[in-house]
Amino acid sequence: AQSVTQPDIHITVSEGASLELRCNYSYGATPYLFWYVQSPGQGLQLLLKYFSGDTLVQGIKGFEAEFKRSQSSFNLRKPSVHWSDAAEYFCAVGPYNTDKLIFGTGTRLQVFP
Amino acid sequence: DAGVIQSPRHEVTEMGQEVTLRCKPISGHNSLFWYRQTMMRGLELLIYFNNNVPIDDSGMPEDRFSAKMPNASFSTLKIQPSEPRDSAVYFCASRLQGDQPQHFGDGTRLSIL
Repeated sequence: AQSVTQPDIHITVSEGASLELRCNYSYGATPYLFWYVQSPGQGLQLLLKYFSGDTLVQGIKGFEAEFKRSQSSFNLRKPSVHWSDAAEYFCAVGPYNTDKLIFGTGTRLQVFP
Repeated sequence: DAGVIQSPRHEVTEMGQEVTLRCKPISGHNSLFWYRQTMMRGLELLIYFNNNVPIDDSGMPEDRFSAKMPNASFSTLKIQPSEPRDSAVYFCASRLQGDQPQHFGDGTRLSIL
């Protein structure tokens, strides 16, 4: 079955600390992978995407993610978190045409000053 | 550039009433998606259109839900009659072409009393 697992429901970090949000997927074909961020009362904003090529992808707002096929993972990282990064983060996987994306249940990030 | 525009942002109505949610995709995008987000089920794809044609409506929960896309710049999602369990945030997203990511609107928060 196709699925996305975000094992951490809620993460709390101090401002300036590093961050890693985990994402594991199960997908029968070559996966297209995405990370989206959702601030309260707003829609999902694309942070970054992986289609092919270099397995370390850079996104907006200083985020990066690494695709590891052997581990079926696509973890999101940021070296130094800012208070404005507090939001909910969603990992998604889909086919090459990105029609039917499967979203994880999200990880809520809280940032303490 | 204007993003995906949804209206209304909030809707509160009584059970049994007809509800119509509206979406204006990003100009030039040829695919449109309707999602529903709830605490219990996360983000679910309801239906999507390519070039104004419904491609997959397997996510529409039941016959009370219907969606139309009469032209490239407008889509509606209708619930008739509405029920309290339909309360959720409904998102519309659009995409430029096959391998491009989806761009989300800010959603409509629907409450059925």
